[in-house]
Amino acid sequence: DGGITQSPKYLFRKEGQNVTLSCEQNLNHDAMYWYRQDPGQGLRLIYYSQIVNDFQKGDIAEGYSVSREKKESFPLTVTSAQKNPTAFYLCASSKGREETQYFGPGTRLLVL
Amino acid sequence: DQQVKQNSPSLSVQEGRISILNCDYTNSMFDYFLWYKKYPAEGPTFLISISSIKDKNEDGRFTVFLNKSAKHLSLHIVPSQPGDSAVYFCAAKGFGNEKLTFGTGTRLTIIP
Repeated sequence: DGGITQSPKYLFRKEGQNVTLSCEQNLNHDAMYWYRQDPGQGLRLIYYSQIVNDFQKGDIAEGYSVSREKKESFPLTVTSAQKNPTAFYLCASSKGREETQYFGPGTRLLVL
Repeated sequence: DQQVKQNSPSLSVQEGRISILNCDYTNSMFDYFLWYKKYPAEGPTFLISISSIKDKNEDGRFTVFLNKSAKHLSLHIVPSQPGDSAVYFCAAKGFGNEKLTFGTGTRLTIIP
């Protein structure tokens, strides 16, 4: 039963704290992506990775960092430099760079 | 600069009738278009896609039409069912480009 899992479902961040959102896929997809959704807006690309140990900035990468040490995992760290982190974060993957992207269930990040 | 626009934030349709969701784009380099459906607090689900070499693609109750000269695409759902109530996102990408650009979404409500 293949798919994309994200954890946790809800995450709370304190001021000045870094938090890491998990994304795992067992679809054997090469490419993985992180998006952010804010109310009334479309999805905006934060970072993406086409291959292990390589990743590129998306449209709103400031205040975020990623790693891609394994094909199946693409964790996103929301750093203290991200001043407006409250949002719904979505991870996606695709077989190749031009293939359809499939999404995980999302993580809602809230600031205390 | 919103390259993909969904000008109707919401749409209500009677159950059994046709739902038509519209999407306009400005970037002439876009050559592949997708529709995603999203329930609250969940990740988007891929519905249907269309390449710029086609003007129509059909999958069950869902049909996507592409008018390249007008830079316009639409998603037709017929007949509409209560389970179709969700937010629908249009997305586009250019050839050789892995980045998806999303519209802001249209909330579809099917009235029983």
